[in-house]
Amino acid sequence: QSALTQPASVSGSPGQSITLSCTGTSSDVGDYNYVSWYQQHPGEAPKLMIYDVSYRPSGVSSRFSGSKSGNTASLTISGLQAEDEADYYCSSYTRGTTPWVFGGGTKLTVL
Amino acid sequence: EVQLVESGGGLVRPGGSLRLSCAASGFTFNSFSMNWVRQTPGKGLEWVSSISSGSGYIYYADSVKGRFAVSRDNARKSLYLQMNSLRAQDTAVYYCARENSDTLDSWGQGTLVTVSS
Repeated sequence: QSALTQPASVSGSPGQSITLSCTGTSSDVGDYNYVSWYQQHPGEAPKLMIYDVSYRPSGVSSRFSGSKSGNTASLTISGLQAEDEADYYCSSYTRGTTPWVFGGGTKLTVL
Repeated sequence: EVQLVESGGGLVRPGGSLRLSCAASGFTFNSFSMNWVRQTPGKGLEWVSSISSGSGYIYYADSVKGRFAVSRDNARKSLYLQMNSLRAQDTAVYYCARENSDTLDSWGQGTLVTVSS
């Protein structure tokens, strides 16, 4: 069982906006603004899409945005495109026994 | 361009050992903490270990503590993971990842470790 909780799957149609959730605790997501989101296509390495809750690395589309409320972080993808179909993982810094915790991942399907 | 290239994976019997390597290029290796993260087939990501830039701080997941050892050679721009007493549950793709401002911003392509008799 992963430390952070993500829905197993989400789907949307091209052009739509969708929001993926990531629920942690007051020891991780709720206590630090160090939430990251990663996109992973089959057979590829994870790619950083959002860091520090809402910042985008250079080169990442502005269609990707992040936010946080309490113990839950969210990734919103606007104007869905076929290439957005992938697995998405959240992670957070934590003051637990390990510095990093991950969610179990959400499979995004673009219909 | 930041590049991380893992190697050393393969098939090993339970109880065996394996040493993974990660060759870094495109950035000042000795300025960054580095991490190992693994992903079991069809499953999610699990942080395994981290080592600070000067090797002064080292951390392990409880699941590998006492069996795995992380190290780095800044002169060779390389990161290592010595894995001993391997178990079937250690079967995974192992990624090395650079730690930058409280995120893991660059990842290698991964190397597959299979523990099976």
